Amino acid sequence: KQEVTQIPAALSVPEGENLVLNCSFTDSAIYNLQWFRQDPGKGLTSLLLIQSSQREQTSGRLNASLDKSSGRSTLYIAASQPGDSATYLCAVKRGTSGSRLTFGEGTQLTVNP
Amino acid sequence: EAGVTQFPSHSVIEKGQTVTLRCDPISGHDNLYWYRRVMGKEIKFLLHFVKESKQDESGMPNNRFLAERTGGTYSTLKVQPAELEDSGVYFCASSPSLVDSAFFGQGTRLTVV
Repeated sequence: KQEVTQIPAALSVPEGENLVLNCSFTDSAIYNLQWFRQDPGKGLTSLLLIQSSQREQTSGRLNASLDKSSGRSTLYIAASQPGDSATYLCAVKRGTSGSRLTFGEGTQLTVNP
Repeated sequence: EAGVTQFPSHSVIEKGQTVTLRCDPISGHDNLYWYRRVMGKEIKFLLHFVKESKQDESGMPNNRFLAERTGGTYSTLKVQPAELEDSGVYFCASSPSLVDSAFFGQGTRLTVV
């Protein structure tokens, strides 16, 4: 059974700081891994999707890496801004066909001005 | 293009009552998913439709939950009778294929009192 863990559960940083969010998963037989952002009262917004054959993906100030063999992914946020404050969720899609996503509990990020 | 739409956004019902949640996926998306997040826990998969057929319903917690997808378009999730532990946020997501990223709705916050 796949389990996804995110560390830390909460993080508070000053504006401008670079930060790393961690995600680990127990079953390395994944199809892809996705990072989402959730703002209070809103739905999930997909940030980055990494296929199992890829090592990293970048979008603007965000960079996500994937080490499938060790069951780890990191989300790097450069030059953080108050608008980055949100809950960040990591989710993996299993197997080769892929259907359901297995989520971690998320990291609640606060960027202070 | 309209995103995934969920109705209602909030619902407060008494224990023992019935509630029906609705999800309108993005037009043309054959795959529709229901997920749930209960307080303090991670988002968990409930079930997956491909068009009007249930592809995977292994995440449904018990037989008080009934999901349907009429004609492969919108979907409903009925809880009857509702229990206190059913409280949480119910998310719907859709995707055009299994390999594509899923788009999530804003969720329905269900409170059973």
